[in-house]
Amino acid sequence: AQSVTQLDSQVPVFEEAPVELRCNYSSSVSVYLFWYVQYPNQGLQLLLKYLSGSTLVESINGFEAEFNKSQTSFHLRKPSVHISDTAEYFCAVTPAGGSQGNLIFGKGTKLSVKP
Amino acid sequence: KAGVTQTPRYLIKTRGQQVTLSCSPISGHRSVSWYQQTPGQGLQFLFEYFSETQRNKGNFPGRFSGRQFSNSRSEMNVSTLELGDSALYLCASRPLAGVNEQFFGPGTRLTVL
Repeated sequence: AQSVTQLDSQVPVFEEAPVELRCNYSSSVSVYLFWYVQYPNQGLQLLLKYLSGSTLVESINGFEAEFNKSQTSFHLRKPSVHISDTAEYFCAVTPAGGSQGNLIFGKGTKLSVKP
Repeated sequence: KAGVTQTPRYLIKTRGQQVTLSCSPISGHRSVSWYQQTPGQGLQFLFEYFSETQRNKGNFPGRFSGRQFSNSRSEMNVSTLELGDSALYLCASRPLAGVNEQFFGPGTRLTVL
């Protein structure tokens, strides 16, 4: 079985400051990793994913995440946040050998960007 | 392409009733997954359907069921509603061509009174 732990339920930060949202996972098999973002009253949108290859993955809006197999982590970072980044962020995994249709999510981190 | 659509967006039911939620995947997507989102339990996987067959099922009681039609549209049904079933129910679709992400709909907000 897999599990995902997001260590911070809420992260307040000032605009233009850097931010790191932490994600650790547990799994006895190889997994694919994802970060999703949820804006108020909306569904989830994929931010970025790690399937294989380079351990550093980037999104088009400045976020990046690094897969660390030894530490079983997939932390999300952004060097300078904007007000519009205020949202809830979810880390998720799915077994690499399965159908990939069942995502296991962390409890989420609410990022609040203040002016 | 239109995104994943879910109907209705909001629903109020009373305990003991049953409810059916609908999901229309992105055109060409053949896999549909359902999730329940609550403040206490977070996002939990309910089930996945592909080609009208359930491929995976999460740890939910038998009151939760689903099906998929030949056009890939999916419905989920919850019978004998309980207060704890109040949640946002999210549907996600994907094409199943290799490994790819799930595209989520806006959800159906179910309130059980």
